[in-house]
Amino acid sequence: DAMVIQNPRYQVTQFGKPVTLSCSQTLNHNVMYWYQQKSSQAPKLLFHYYDKDFNNEADTPDNFQSRRPNTSFCFLDIRSPGLGDAAMYLCATSRDGQADTEAFFGQGTRLTVV
Amino acid sequence: DAKTTQPNSMESNEEEPVHLPCNHSTISGTDYIHWYRQLPSQGPEYVIHGLTSNVNNRMASLAIAEDRKSSTLILHRATLRDAAVYYCILNRDDKIIFGKGTRLHILP
Repeated sequence: DAMVIQNPRYQVTQFGKPVTLSCSQTLNHNVMYWYQQKSSQAPKLLFHYYDKDFNNEADTPDNFQSRRPNTSFCFLDIRSPGLGDAAMYLCATSRDGQADTEAFFGQGTRLTVV
Repeated sequence: DAKTTQPNSMESNEEEPVHLPCNHSTISGTDYIHWYRQLPSQGPEYVIHGLTSNVNNRMASLAIAEDRKSSTLILHRATLRDAAVYYCILNRDDKIIFGKGTRLHILP
């Protein structure tokens, strides 16, 4: 049973048109992460939430925003997608974000920008 | 962020053990060593983690050097389904930062 669910699996958006990717979890975990993974590269952390506390990585572009309306859901908003934003976007959760706890990843949403 | 160094790629024969090395010479006392793997077209999945002692689970074993500056992920009997990118990560706070990982090829 999928525990971290990302919808849709594939998303095509137009250059400059806002797009939202969604993530839900059934684990009741406190921490949720968003990663960007470009082809043949490692996942890159964009930001994460510890409960409602938002933590942005220093090099995450302003074009990327996130919302977490409740424990179960987290959204990634790309305000004006460029061709360089085409990537796999991964959502992950962790029970408490402590160093000895594991993270659970979704299957990802592959974003294409046309 | 604490840095790890892994070989870019490795090959192994099917049904043989695989030893994936990781160097982490700047590890601090509270860093946990985590391993994740990413199969093609899937999200990463947790494999194993440890602090000081060697660890075993149903997927793999983790051997940690006495000085903790290196570790080895051991797959006891590789199958074709183990072909993936394996990431060694030092986890010290609420962020999981991926390095480049090792791409493991399994030869039938």
